[in-house]
Amino acid sequence: GAGVSQSPSNKVTEKGKDVELRCDPISGHTALYWYRQRLGQGLEFLIYFQGNSAPDKSGLPSDRFSAERTGESVSTLTIQRTQQEDSAVYLCASSAGSMSSYGYTFGSGTRLTVV
Amino acid sequence: DQQVKQNSPSLSVQEGRISILNCDYTNSMFDYFLWYKKYPAEGPTFLISISSIKDKNEDGRFTVFLNKSAKHLSLHIVPSQPGDSAVYFCALRSYNTDKLIFGTGTRLQVFP
Repeated sequence: GAGVSQSPSNKVTEKGKDVELRCDPISGHTALYWYRQRLGQGLEFLIYFQGNSAPDKSGLPSDRFSAERTGESVSTLTIQRTQQEDSAVYLCASSAGSMSSYGYTFGSGTRLTVV
Repeated sequence: DQQVKQNSPSLSVQEGRISILNCDYTNSMFDYFLWYKKYPAEGPTFLISISSIKDKNEDGRFTVFLNKSAKHLSLHIVPSQPGDSAVYFCALRSYNTDKLIFGTGTRLQVFP
């Protein structure tokens, strides 16, 4: 597609439920990233996929968070047993990789609210 | 330990004047420095970047300055326009990785 697509755009869930967030990157982009932005804070790195390399999971805040990517296409971020502190905007981005100096292209994000 | 800091959470500038947004970092292992702009309910969009081998890069009304010895990055917008009102994030990339570390953001408001 023309841009990075994320779904759903908004998600309200009850504490303790699992949620799955989806990201469709730009076609041909080998690198895919997940970030989150909690209220009043900056963008926090979560996980990074580059081609067939093992993902960089160093930003995942707990073992309740996991992500996978199918080849060089769709990625899903799963949060199990959601907690109120998981409420945030979850942003996905993709890039052509190879240390592109033009940075990432971000999706519009999924706003997750845990009640 | 915040590696990248934007110490001004907000900035208000009159239309036509210069806006200066600042970003400080603590680690010397960054090779690319970028600025992103974010409107409400949208993802951040890339604005301008500079590599560590340069100290200035200009693109129209936007100029990014890099002072490596001071570990300081700034974005100048001149003349500022009301449409520039947004949150601006600096983002830094470490050598040998495509991962970006973002600052906390500065909300710029340009008033008529």
